[in-house]
Amino acid sequence: DAMVIQNPRYQVTQFGKPVTLSCSQTLNHNVMYWYQQKSSQAPKLLFHYYDKDFNNEADTPDNFQSRRPNTSFCFLDIRSPGLGDAAMYLCATSRVVGGETQYFGPGTRLLVL
Amino acid sequence: AQKITQTQPGMFVQEKEAVTLDCTYDTSDQSYGLFWYKQPSSGEMIFLIYQGSYDEQNATEGRYSLNFQKARKSANLVISASQLGDSAMYFCAMRDSGAGSYQLTFGKGTKLSVIP
Repeated sequence: DAMVIQNPRYQVTQFGKPVTLSCSQTLNHNVMYWYQQKSSQAPKLLFHYYDKDFNNEADTPDNFQSRRPNTSFCFLDIRSPGLGDAAMYLCATSRVVGGETQYFGPGTRLLVL
Repeated sequence: AQKITQTQPGMFVQEKEAVTLDCTYDTSDQSYGLFWYKQPSSGEMIFLIYQGSYDEQNATEGRYSLNFQKARKSANLVISASQLGDSAMYFCAMRDSGAGSYQLTFGKGTKLSVIP
């Protein structure tokens, strides 16, 4: 089945220790998104890629970076995680920007010690 | 600016009964899309149903239907014959077709609990 896959499902890191979260998709969608969702809140968009074009949300901290080496994979890098970065990180994909349903992966729960 | 309002933080429903989750929206755009997602405790956001602003008919997907009232700017989700597995958070979301149209605006969600 075509799907969005995120690894790992759970990630524990130490304060200030860089961490990378992975997302892959078999849907062959052009657009990939990263969302941050804190407890009891709605998801918040961090950035998205339309093919190789990177689009950062204005209020996304510089601590968060992303890479998309090919159509299938996208990575979220947190350079120096703080306690406030503990959250669920959701990857989503869609066929085109603005015109299609976004399909989400299972998420990665990040814990910062 | 777009806004989605879900006024029910939590809802209870008896198994096999129908339940309506409320969603109102605010936008100045004529072309927009409305979505409902289900998020179980495992965390995955599961797409349930979509309604386009120009769609004449209310969207339906199995036990899910969307009661779309454009003049009232409401897009309520109706779940028929509730099952225990329906217990989850439900998010209403909207995207418009204007600038920055890639972004989904989410409501705060409604936590549905299905009682045996």
